[in-house]
Amino acid sequence: GAGVSQSPRYKVAKRGQDVALRCDPISGHVSLFWYQQALGQGPEFLTYFQNEAQLDKSGLPSDRFFAERPEGSVSTLKIQRTQQEDSAVYLCASSQYPATNEKLFFGSGTQLSVL
Amino acid sequence: QQQVKQSPQSLIVQKGGISIINCAYENTAFDYFPWYQQFPGKGPALLIAIRPDVSEKKEGRFTISFNKSAKQFSLHIMDSQPGDSATYFCAASIWGNTDKLIFGTGTRLQVFP
Repeated sequence: GAGVSQSPRYKVAKRGQDVALRCDPISGHVSLFWYQQALGQGPEFLTYFQNEAQLDKSGLPSDRFFAERPEGSVSTLKIQRTQQEDSAVYLCASSQYPATNEKLFFGSGTQLSVL
Repeated sequence: QQQVKQSPQSLIVQKGGISIINCAYENTAFDYFPWYQQFPGKGPALLIAIRPDVSEKKEGRFTISFNKSAKQFSLHIMDSQPGDSATYFCAASIWGNTDKLIFGTGTRLQVFP
């Protein structure tokens, strides 16, 4: 596709369940970011990949959060033992440029609701 | 040090009017300041961005004004249209660094006909 694709669009999980969120970046894009957007707030950085290398994971809120991009294209954000405070929209963004936030293209996000 | 403060939280403007959204930052290392537009159910989309070596950048009806000494920057939307109704986020980062974009809290703009 022409843009960043995220799936599922909506995810409802019971507290304690594990979830996996998928991001398909624009083909050929080197940089990939994950952001978390709480209701009524701006996005907050979670982690950054340059190709398959995870260069920055300082924004991951706990060790329950794990992200991977094994072949430098598709990325998965996994949340183990979900908690209610994990409810948010998870946004993926990609850029053709390495090591920069410039000209990011965001997906529409996955809205996670933890009951 | 990492915070970006944005105001107002919401803004109502009549069609044809000027919408002005303001942001302030503390970290003087920031050197890339983008504005993003977000419609409900969509991800943010880059609108316009500026670096601190210029005081103003204009693209169509959208203008960023930048005041380095005051550590403030603003978005001006001229001739506001109902289609501009969205949430706008300012952000800041260190260009050329994998450091994250720091977003403001957002401004919900409503433009009435």
